[in-house]
Amino acid sequence: DAEITQSPRHKITETGRQVTLACHQTWNHNNMFWYRQDLGHGLRLIHYSYGVQDTNKGEVSDGYSVSRSNTEDLPLTLESAASSQTSVYFCASSSNGETQYFGPGTRLLVL
Amino acid sequence: GENVGLHLPTLSVQEGDNSIINCAYSNSASDYFIWYKQESGKGPQFIIDIRSNMDKRQGQRVTVLLNKTVKHLSLQIAATQPGDSAVYFCAENMGGSARQLTFGSGTQLTVLP
Repeated sequence: DAEITQSPRHKITETGRQVTLACHQTWNHNNMFWYRQDLGHGLRLIHYSYGVQDTNKGEVSDGYSVSRSNTEDLPLTLESAASSQTSVYFCASSSNGETQYFGPGTRLLVL
Repeated sequence: GENVGLHLPTLSVQEGDNSIINCAYSNSASDYFIWYKQESGKGPQFIIDIRSNMDKRQGQRVTVLLNKTVKHLSLQIAATQPGDSAVYFCAENMGGSARQLTFGSGTQLTVLP
């Protein structure tokens, strides 16, 4: 069955380190999104992509970057991890720009 | 951007009763709405959607109602079960070329035995 996966599921890192979170979908969806979810803020959009080589900044993009070299993957990189980036990260994808399907999430702790 | 909000942050219902979760939206240009369910430790799961040219849509044990006049969306769950305990949140799409969703903060539904 087609699906969307994220790895790792849990990550502990130190302040200042570079961290990359992986997202892989097998639906052949053009649109992919990265969100962070924090108590009191709900889901906030970090970056998104509408196709290969296309990337766009979302509401809370500072300190994050993405690249889209193929349809299936949209890795999220924290250039220099900060404690404020401790959060749960969700990747999502959609085909028609409407219904988004989410991955299981990555819990990131920055010490 | 526009906010999608929820009237109640928590809702407790007895097992077997019906649940109603509400959502208010402020962007009159939104033409597509989705309800998601999120269980503890998991990603949001699609439940049901509705377009702005409809005022009601039914799924399996769930019904979504849309009132465009007052910009209100509700999710009704019939015969609520323990497995329905989760956070529910709505999302809206502003239509046209927009492919992004704006999410509400969620309502925690607790089903009491």
